[in-house]
Amino acid sequence: EDQVTQSPEALRLQEGESSSLNCSYTVSGLRGLFWYRQDPGKGPEFLFTLYSAGEEKEKERLKATLTKKESFLHITAPKPEDSATYLCAGGSNTGNQFYFGTGTSLTVIP
Amino acid sequence: DGGITQSPKYLFRKEGQNVTLSCEQNLNHDAMYWYRQDPGQGLRLIYYSQIVNDFQKGDIAEGYSVSREKKESFPLTVTSAQKNPTAFYLCASSGRGDLGETQYFGPGTRLLVL
Repeated sequence: EDQVTQSPEALRLQEGESSSLNCSYTVSGLRGLFWYRQDPGKGPEFLFTLYSAGEEKEKERLKATLTKKESFLHITAPKPEDSATYLCAGGSNTGNQFYFGTGTSLTVIP
Repeated sequence: DGGITQSPKYLFRKEGQNVTLSCEQNLNHDAMYWYRQDPGQGLRLIYYSQIVNDFQKGDIAEGYSVSREKKESFPLTVTSAQKNPTAFYLCASSGRGDLGETQYFGPGTRLLVL
């Protein structure tokens, strides 16, 4: 069964304490792996798209990586404004749809 | 500014009432989508459209209807047949609807039942 699983569900970090969010996927015919940031009461904001294992993309304090089974969102020296829910999604050729994870809620404490 | 707009931000539905959520995009995208978001669950696809005058059911289409008369617009109607409509509704669009393309989201509409 195609699915995307994110862990942990929630993560609390001290400001400056680096960590990683995990997205495990079992999506056959993966066409793309997508990361979004969602603030409370708002729509998801696009962060990254990864297409093949070994690919990495960076934006400010965030770096996304992709293997054949997982994607990681690394957060380096986070700030309180990085607090949000981070969503992962995979687009499947075989399933002909997007599969979204349930998200990781990140809180960065000053 | 290019983007996706949704209105209203909040919507209240009475028993037996149909309500319509608006979604407009000026990104010149062919494909548009409607998702429902409930606490603790991933986004679930309601309907999608890859071209004007054509649309397909998603995983949870029962109790919902859509139209796609213009490329820019994809309104969603929540009918009285939808027994549990309270949720956050998100509209998205992408270039051609290819599953390797990024979907861009609107700000969402929160629907509440009176």
